[in-house]
Amino acid sequence: QKEVEQDPGPLSVPEGAIVSLNCTYSNSAFQYFMWYRQYSRKGPELLMYTYSSGNKEDGRFTAQVDKSSKYISLFIRDSQPSDSATYLCAMSGYSSASKIIFGSGTRLSIRP
Amino acid sequence: DVKVTQSSRYLVKRTGEKVFLECVQDMDHENMFWYRQDPGLGLRLIYFSYDVKMKEKGDIPEGYSVSREKKERFSLILESASTNQTSMYLCASSFGQSINGYTFGSGTRLTVV
Repeated sequence: QKEVEQDPGPLSVPEGAIVSLNCTYSNSAFQYFMWYRQYSRKGPELLMYTYSSGNKEDGRFTAQVDKSSKYISLFIRDSQPSDSATYLCAMSGYSSASKIIFGSGTRLSIRP
Repeated sequence: DVKVTQSSRYLVKRTGEKVFLECVQDMDHENMFWYRQDPGLGLRLIYFSYDVKMKEKGDIPEGYSVSREKKERFSLILESASTNQTSMYLCASSFGQSINGYTFGSGTRLTVV
């Protein structure tokens, strides 16, 4: 079993829709949870990060962590064609030596 | 603007060749990483380094080696390229704890024929 599971998609939604992207994980030691966005032919870039359980909002993006269920989500409100990209969840432990473990990514397409 | 620069965007090499992929960062980061990215498999860690002249194996180090002679430069070496090493290679750097996140380069698409 992979430490981090993510549905690869592709996911296609109309412009303006609310998008929900999700990951599950198995390692209880994970404390930091991140979302990366990767445009075609580019490297991933850090979009948001949260520590432990709860919600964090940044503009149209909301990251949600439920440690009891080992489940994290990224919500995109009022989705735009420019949001079309691959979204990777990522997580790590608290130790300074902890590496980031990435999900395999969900390809998202926003139709104009 | 801070950057991680990978020397080549596209590379085509022949089976058996020794291949060097170069990565340079200008952020004075102590940590550097090499990943390969394949459809359905996501990002897989090949090697990483927490300091100059230091290296650690990641999840899939077989067939690869690395070199870090200077803090800003981390090289990935394919000792004898094979077709199953055709992939997108991504270099990343970071400082301190992983919560700071990684800064990635734009990647090198390597094709081994």
